[in-house]
Amino acid sequence: DAGITQSPRHKVTETGTPVTLRCHQTENHRYMYWYRQDPGHGLRLIHYSYGVKDTDKGEVSDGYSVSRSKTEDFLLTLESATSSQTSVYFCAISGGGGTDTQYFGPGTRLTVL
Amino acid sequence: GNSVTQMEGPVTLSEEAFLTINCTYTATGYPSLFWYVQYPGEGLQLLLKATKADDKGSNKGFEATYRKETTSFHLEKGSVQVSDSAVYFCALSSGYNFNKFYFGSGTKLNVKP
Repeated sequence: DAGITQSPRHKVTETGTPVTLRCHQTENHRYMYWYRQDPGHGLRLIHYSYGVKDTDKGEVSDGYSVSRSKTEDFLLTLESATSSQTSVYFCAISGGGGTDTQYFGPGTRLTVL
Repeated sequence: GNSVTQMEGPVTLSEEAFLTINCTYTATGYPSLFWYVQYPGEGLQLLLKATKADDKGSNKGFEATYRKETTSFHLEKGSVQVSDSAVYFCALSSGYNFNKFYFGSGTKLNVKP
């Protein structure tokens, strides 16, 4: 299994509070991704990173920001959590290239009350 | 653009039945194609992949053939087991500037003993 950890694994928070999710990898992979998974929507890309300090938006980036100051860490921040951001969040990594595989972390279940 | 369409579930089968989960795609260029599996409470795991037309990916008795002429990558297994119960995701990677993935909405498989 690829060395990917996510923290926390579960979190309950209140509307309007900031929340930061962490993804940590030990594979030295260049690319890192944040997805959210919701019933009926499959996986939707929030943000991705193609290198340290190099990030870009995915299809559902509103309300989210990311940072990557080291190769191994990719942080997802909800500046002011809303109930619509209740979801399961997955981090993924890949080495890059058109034939490469994405490897997924175990997920973080976030509930916004 | 790039997109993946897979059959809606849930799919319910008896043990030892034949499985087909349909997946079709739209892509620019020459994508790689993937099947991922997600067991309850876990992240996605790569099941198999194919990187060019007519390639067959296979793993754990599952197979899928990259059909460029029909833009399809259907997942098959000759005899399913209860332990195959999971959600299956078809995906493609664009393979141009970076490794960006596009996922189908997932198909839940229930196998009854």
